Amino acid sequence: SQQGEEDPQALSIQEGENATMNCSYKTSINNLQWYRQNSGRGLVHLILIRSNEREKHSGRLRVTLDTSKKSSSLLITASRAADTASYFCATIRGGADGLTFGKGTHLIIQP
Amino acid sequence: EPEVTQTPSHQVTQMGQEVILRCVPISNHLYFYWYRQILGQKVEFLVSFYNNEISEKSEIFDDQFSVERPDGSNFTLKIRSTKLEDSAMYFCASSPQGFSSPLHFGNGTRLTVT
Repeated sequence: SQQGEEDPQALSIQEGENATMNCSYKTSINNLQWYRQNSGRGLVHLILIRSNEREKHSGRLRVTLDTSKKSSSLLITASRAADTASYFCATIRGGADGLTFGKGTHLIIQP
Repeated sequence: EPEVTQTPSHQVTQMGQEVILRCVPISNHLYFYWYRQILGQKVEFLVSFYNNEISEKSEIFDDQFSVERPDGSNFTLKIRSTKLEDSAMYFCASSPQGFSSPLHFGNGTRLTVT
């Protein structure tokens, strides 16, 4: 499988519910980043978590990192219709791949 | 808040033609990148640029591609002889400290090769 692979691929929830997305990766990392992409737009950085951090918060976002399991999760609490977007985790895999993005989780918030 | 700007937003070109995609990174950033996203697929790394030279490039970034920072503000991606499979969204990004810091992306140029 690929570095920075998100699951689920798609998630549909009701407004107000919490949304959790997961990311798994293969190689050691210095940091892991989460981005959001609205349809047809550029990626927007959400949170960067370093390898020596276990949890980080930003507003309604909470990111965890488990380096022993090579996994991260993004939790969006009290979801809103405006949170509808694709969410990507990104890591540096090594070699000449730069910051590598997964295929993303497409989140749909139903009003 | 400063942002990365890309022009044009849409570019249609014929196969075999040269195209230049333009980007103005955030002014105090030192690292610049190009990514592309074929419709419905992953965002793929093309190239990173620092201190007026390429620091990393992917297998996608072959001899048909080149980047340049012609002045203190612009960062360009040139595709020398476009192919149908070059049709994609091309995103420029910049960051203050390489991949250890967040990347700031522009809204992209949609390139259609006919």
